[in-house]
Amino acid sequence: GEDVEQSLFLSVREGDSSVINCTYTDSSSTYLYWYKQEPGAGLQLLTYIFSNMDMKQDQRLTVLLNKKDKHLSLRIADTQTGDSAIYFCAELWAGKLIFGTGTRLQVFP
Amino acid sequence: NAGVTQTPKFQVLKTGQSMTLQCAQDMNHEYMSWYRQDPGMGLRLIHYSVGAGITDQGEVPNGYNVSRSTTEDFPLRLLSAAPSQTSVYFCASRRFTEAFFGQGTRLTVV
Repeated sequence: GEDVEQSLFLSVREGDSSVINCTYTDSSSTYLYWYKQEPGAGLQLLTYIFSNMDMKQDQRLTVLLNKKDKHLSLRIADTQTGDSAIYFCAELWAGKLIFGTGTRLQVFP
Repeated sequence: NAGVTQTPKFQVLKTGQSMTLQCAQDMNHEYMSWYRQDPGMGLRLIHYSVGAGITDQGEVPNGYNVSRSTTEDFPLRLLSAAPSQTSVYFCASRRFTEAFFGQGTRLTVV
């Protein structure tokens, strides 16, 4: 079956950039997503990228897609304590949204 | 605009009990799905539906049933709860590219 992988933890200092990485296995995915989950809450869509794009920027967020390596990344510029959350990578494959394990981002002062 | 509404928010069941987790959306979305979230395992797909009257199994369907009699509602049934079903359950709906999630149901089976 389809597999989406992420590292479990990332710790950064406030003001630095954060880069969260994700790899997926099926090149036929049409859309790839980044979701944010704050403690005790549901999932909030941050951004998504169509599979024929290489990069998408939205304010402090930059998504890079390397289709050859099946690698997706999310860069958060000027990371703030409010960015502390779990970040999920997901792909739309065969009509289903498949999620990675999530990366817990901790931002320290 | 309520979006995706899940009820209840919290539930404690005894082993062997049955219950239904409710999910409703008011966005006229065709796609609806149920996920469970467990520590270190991300969100795993339980069942999904591509429209009223059509359902299919996801990655972890055992122990759960679903039906989709209307576009708006997609209930998830646990026929005989087991401790392994202790988890946080999320319902989602999607029209094309963007999926919307409910706030989740935290279920504990003792």
